[in-house]
Amino acid sequence: GENVEQHPSTLSVQEGDSAVIKCTYSDSASNYFPWYKQELGKRPQLIIDIRSNVGEKKDQRIAVTLNKTAKHFSLHITETQPEDSAVYFCAAGYSTLTFGKGTMLLVSP
Amino acid sequence: EAGVAQSPRYKIIEKRQSVAFWCNPISGHATLYWYQQILGQGPKLLIQFQNNGVVDDSQLPKDRFSAERLKGVDSTLKIQPAKLEDSAVYLCASSPGLAGETSSYNEQFFGPGTRLTVL
Repeated sequence: GENVEQHPSTLSVQEGDSAVIKCTYSDSASNYFPWYKQELGKRPQLIIDIRSNVGEKKDQRIAVTLNKTAKHFSLHITETQPEDSAVYFCAAGYSTLTFGKGTMLLVSP
Repeated sequence: EAGVAQSPRYKIIEKRQSVAFWCNPISGHATLYWYQQILGQGPKLLIQFQNNGVVDDSQLPKDRFSAERLKGVDSTLKIQPAKLEDSAVYLCASSPGLAGETSSYNEQFFGPGTRLTVL
């Protein structure tokens, strides 16, 4: 089955800095790579996703890149704000998703 | 549109007791998922339904967990008997499309979850 590794487990940045979270996956059949944001005690919410036929996707301050050859994908958040503080999960799969263990992002004012 | 609904939101039981969780997906969504999220980890898929059929239950501990989705709408997940290690948040999610589709229908919408504590 699919195996997703996510790094780092925690990431502390100053407001306005950029943050990068990286994931690797094992199953070359995976073609869908979403990123979810989960605030404390709340449900995961999709913030951006990318498919295997696209190398990069951007939505305002958030971007995701995918390298299918190397089987890794990354989330980039620019101009971080305190409200970006949350746990971020990457996932990979085809019809089912395997999630990474999460990255706790702390943005200090 | 209304989101995925789950109940109860919290449940505390003794080990070896039974418990059931209920999920109502977004109207019209064909696919329904149950995930287990242990504190500090990502969601782990337990079972996936497409309409009222099971697509994937390879990670469901079938000796104690069971799930059904009658009429292809609501779903229930049951644990009998519960163990201490079952303490987790149980998340239900739904998506509009069918398993294996590569369209935008892969997006999964999560419910608020049920936090289970087994003492």
